[in-house]
Amino acid sequence: SAVISQKPSRDICQRGTSLTIQCQVDSQVTMMFWYRQQPGQSLTLIATANQGSEATYESGFVIDKFPISRPNLTFSTLTVSNLSPEDSSIYLCSVSIGDKYWGYTFGSGTRLTVV
Amino acid sequence: TQLLEQSPQFLSIQEGENLTVYCNSSSVFSSLQWYRQEPGEGPVLLVTVVTGGEVKKLKRLTFQFGDARKDSSLHITAAQTGDTGLYLCAGGKRDDKIIFGKGTRLHILP
Repeated sequence: SAVISQKPSRDICQRGTSLTIQCQVDSQVTMMFWYRQQPGQSLTLIATANQGSEATYESGFVIDKFPISRPNLTFSTLTVSNLSPEDSSIYLCSVSIGDKYWGYTFGSGTRLTVV
Repeated sequence: TQLLEQSPQFLSIQEGENLTVYCNSSSVFSSLQWYRQEPGEGPVLLVTVVTGGEVKKLKRLTFQFGDARKDSSLHITAAQTGDTGLYLCAGGKRDDKIIFGKGTRLHILP
């Protein structure tokens, strides 16, 4: 199954700044998914990123706040911009495990703390 | 809007006991998946069930998909401290976005 390298693993950022999170996959994948996991909570889908087209955002998430890049089939970035303490969360990327299996593999997550 | 309700939200039991976690919805899903997440890590897929009534076993874990494909359960026999973690069910279509339940935080006491 696909293996994802996500970085940074954690960061502490000042209010008003931005953080860019990178996910590198060891195989080519059509769709990559970005999630937010607030403290003690489950995962909420932010957007789906397809190579060569704009990301599709879920209700409550907008491109200006969470711009996504998908320059090729193995890489994507999520930027969390104009940070506020409410953005303190774990951010995860995910891809389909593969053709033989029905499921998803996740990066290890980025723990963001905004101060 | 499709929603997945998990119960219980928290469960703390002694090592060696049995437990069942439930995942329910009013919607039909093409598949239901169960993940376990440990602190500092992303969720790890345990199993996917796709056929109504399907039962899958993974060592001491037994997963069942409801006949109507609206609900699922996870049963752990003789729980061990290594089973501690956040258990998440998720539903959706293949190669499409999936929806997560709120999770069951399981703590196994030695």
